[in-house]
Amino acid sequence: AQSVSQHNHHVILSEAASLELGCNYSYGGTVNLFWYVQYPGQHLQLLLKYFSGDPLVKGIKGFEAEFIKSKFSFNLRKPSVQWSDTAEYFCAVWGGATNKLIFGTGTLLAVQP
Amino acid sequence: DAGVIQSPRHEVTEMGQEVTLRCKPISGHDYLFWYRQTMMRGLELLIYFNNNVPIDDSGMPEDRFSAKMPNASFSTLKIQPSEPRDSAVYFCASSLSSGWDEQYFGPGTRLTVT
Repeated sequence: AQSVSQHNHHVILSEAASLELGCNYSYGGTVNLFWYVQYPGQHLQLLLKYFSGDPLVKGIKGFEAEFIKSKFSFNLRKPSVQWSDTAEYFCAVWGGATNKLIFGTGTLLAVQP
Repeated sequence: DAGVIQSPRHEVTEMGQEVTLRCKPISGHDYLFWYRQTMMRGLELLIYFNNNVPIDDSGMPEDRFSAKMPNASFSTLKIQPSEPRDSAVYFCASSLSSGWDEQYFGPGTRLTVT
């Protein structure tokens, strides 16, 4: 069955530190990949997405993610985090076999000022 | 557009009672999704509709859960009877044209069943 794994459940960083959140999926066919973010008290919103083309995609607020097909990964990165990046981050994958979006369990990021 | 609207935002009910959650998708969006978020299981898709028709309800936990979409601007998720293990945040989302396009989420309904 199609699945999405986010291995970091809880990450604590200081401001200006670099961030990388892991996301791996299990589906061998064509996939569309997403990162959503949920700020405290707010609803989920799209951070970035990959459908095709350049495997390095840039999203809002300085975030980027790289699709590595051979590793079935779509890791999220940001070179310098801010306190306002404190949120929960969800990786999601759509694969044609299931025809629905499968979410990872989320990574809670806390940035200390 | 006001975005996806959900009501109520919070619901506290006793075990055995019927609970109805409501959702108004973004106008013009053909797809509507219901998700449940818990600490243990994360964000799970319960059911989704395309043009008001249920397409995949395989995520609905059991017969106590039902969802309807009587028109393009309104959907309900009903739990009858409710149980404490149904306590979760329930999100509604809609998307424009395809099941894999960006989904726009509502603020969620936090359900507590005592």
